[in-house]
Amino acid sequence: GAGVSQTPSNKVTEKGKYVELRCDPISGHTALYWYRQSLGQGPEFLIYFQGTGAADDSGLPNDRFFAVRPEGSVSTLKIQRTERGDSAVYLCASSPYGGETDTQYFGPGTRLTVL
Amino acid sequence: QKEVEQNSGPLSVPEGAIASLNCTYSDRGSQSFFWYRQYSGKSPELIMFIYSNGDKEDGRFTAQLNKASQYVSLLIRDSQPSDSATYLCAVNIPNTDKLIFGTGTRLQVFP
Repeated sequence: GAGVSQTPSNKVTEKGKYVELRCDPISGHTALYWYRQSLGQGPEFLIYFQGTGAADDSGLPNDRFFAVRPEGSVSTLKIQRTERGDSAVYLCASSPYGGETDTQYFGPGTRLTVL
Repeated sequence: QKEVEQNSGPLSVPEGAIASLNCTYSDRGSQSFFWYRQYSGKSPELIMFIYSNGDKEDGRFTAQLNKASQYVSLLIRDSQPSDSATYLCAVNIPNTDKLIFGTGTRLQVFP
């Protein structure tokens, strides 16, 4: 079946602009995660959705970052007033149920470059 | 103190050898441990997960978990050049659904 998909694959924007990154999880997966990965680092947790609600948003770095999942499927990560330090690969993952032993399946990521 | 530690490498092994990748973690309450493989420019792909002490084997891969010593390792037997990638260790944060990733170990398998 189809895996996790993310759009766009690449996004170049200017400092101060607003961007939206989209994630389409594996069909039927209730849990959805956003991570950020900088060069030479492992993925860093941002936010976790269980269904439509954000179960844990403790990884969002500041209030410029926001994410939604209004119908419990597709999710959008929104970044306001982008800064050069926001440049990274943004990864989305989904898992069937969530939980400590549930496997997370990653999408291909969106490479964000803030000029 | 980093919560999940990995040697960044590169770890270079000849084709056919055993590659041994190690990971230590700081939270004794962690119960689930994952190894992901990440090719350059690609997203992480699950290789193994383990949550019981001891060994778990899947094909050429063996994960080893020692909770008392707080380390988890991945052995790759009969290493192939196609195994050349970065291997990420991920550990769950107790009582949450979050994973903490190490920085990854870059493995190079040369013919």
